[in-house]
Order: sequence, then structure tokens, then C-alpha cells
Amino acid sequence: DIVMTQTPLSLSVTPGQPASISCKSSQSLLHSDGKTYLYWYLQKPGQSPQLLIYEVSSRFSGVPDRFSGSGSGTDFTLKISRVEAEDVGVYYCMQGIHLWTFGQGTKVEIK
Amino acid sequence: EVQLVESGGGLVQPGGSLRLSCAASGFTFSSYSMNWVRQAPGKGLEWVSYISSSSSTIYYADSVKGRFTISRDNAKNSLYLQMNSLRAEDTAVYYCAKYSSSSAPLAPFDYWGQGTLVTVSS
Repeated sequence: DIVMTQTPLSLSVTPGQPASISCKSSQSLLHSDGKTYLYWYLQKPGQSPQLLIYEVSSRFSGVPDRFSGSGSGTDFTLKISRVEAEDVGVYYCMQGIHLWTFGQGTKVEIK
Repeated sequence: EVQLVESGGGLVQPGGSLRLSCAASGFTFSSYSMNWVRQAPGKGLEWVSYISSSSSTIYYADSVKGRFTISRDNAKNSLYLQMNSLRAEDTAVYYCAKYSSSSAPLAPFDYWGQGTLVTVSS
């Protein structure tokens, strides 16, 4: 099974400041088709998860451009350029190359 | 507008059974693979099961293999999860989640339902 490890597990950010979350996979997520199957989700308090980023760096429909994803192979990063109050919640990375597994989640709160 | 509405959760004793349903609307249900994902109280997300659009391909997480059965009825735009031999550790909110692509073999889950709570306790 592919294990996904996120750091940090919690983050307190001042509005307007940047934030960064790391996600490492136990195996490469690069597929033979050339795509890398790493996704990012945000679960806002009391809500279902919502897709933010797919294939490492592509923003899903309606996702603000302050969210960006990067990385390759086994190391990935989600960055929020300027955190807003509506960005609070738990962020999960998920691999989709061999079945599906999630990271433990990173809780983002506003200072 | 895509809508996924789960139902069927509740309190069940250890060893008991429960059948979850997910009613889909706002998209061509028969064209998309579907999944069940669960979240134990205060914990993270765990993928549970996958079913392809035609039901020809099915996968399960090791934690539920042999106890849970996923199925779908494309005529009724519905997804199901039959849960048998339930354990305390199966207590969670169960979400149905739609595959984002009708053609790509690998894709993220783009829409999720609001979830239904299953509590396994005596």
C-alpha cells in the first residue's frame, strides 16, 4: 500500500500570509502515461471534502488562483499565496495511482 | 448541478448489517465510476470501495474486503454499500464520491455527498 505523509499536521496562519503543506508518498506517483496522480482536497468545518488540485498542479473548476500545487515523484507541496479566513479547514493529499490513499490531514487555522 | 445524497446510516450492533444508498442527480450517472469514502469521528479520510460505470470493475480496501459489497443500479441512478459483520471500527461518516472523468482510467473524486453516519455499538 502507498503511504501518504503530510507535514505539518497543523498550521496557524495570519490572514494575508502564505502557507505551505508538504505531502510525501512512499512510492512514486508518476504513471507510465506521464501523469502524476496526486490530488489535494480541503474539508471545511462541517462540510464534505472538496477537490482543489488534481495531477499535482491543475486547479479544479472554481478554485482560486491563490492555491497552487507543485512537486514530482514522491514529494509534493500545496501553497496558499495569501491565506483568507475561508481557507480554514483540514487539507488532505490523496494518491490515485494504486487504489486511493489519503494523507493524515493538515489542519489550517487563522491566527 | 451535481447532487449526491447518502442515506441508510444509523446505529447497529456489532456483527450486524446495514445498507447505505447514494442517490445521484445532475449528471449522467451511468457514465461515471463511483466510490465510497469514510471518516471516523475526528479522524481522517479512508477510501472504502470503487465501482466502475458498468460494475465490471470493483475494488475494496483491505479493511472491509469480504464484509462490504458495493453495487449500483444505473436505471435508478443509485449507488449502494452493503455492510455486513460490522465492527466498532467501522463507525464513521460514509461519503459517496463521484469520479471526475467518464473516460480516464485514473481520476480524482470531484463531487462528494454530505455523508451518512454509521455507528456500530452495543
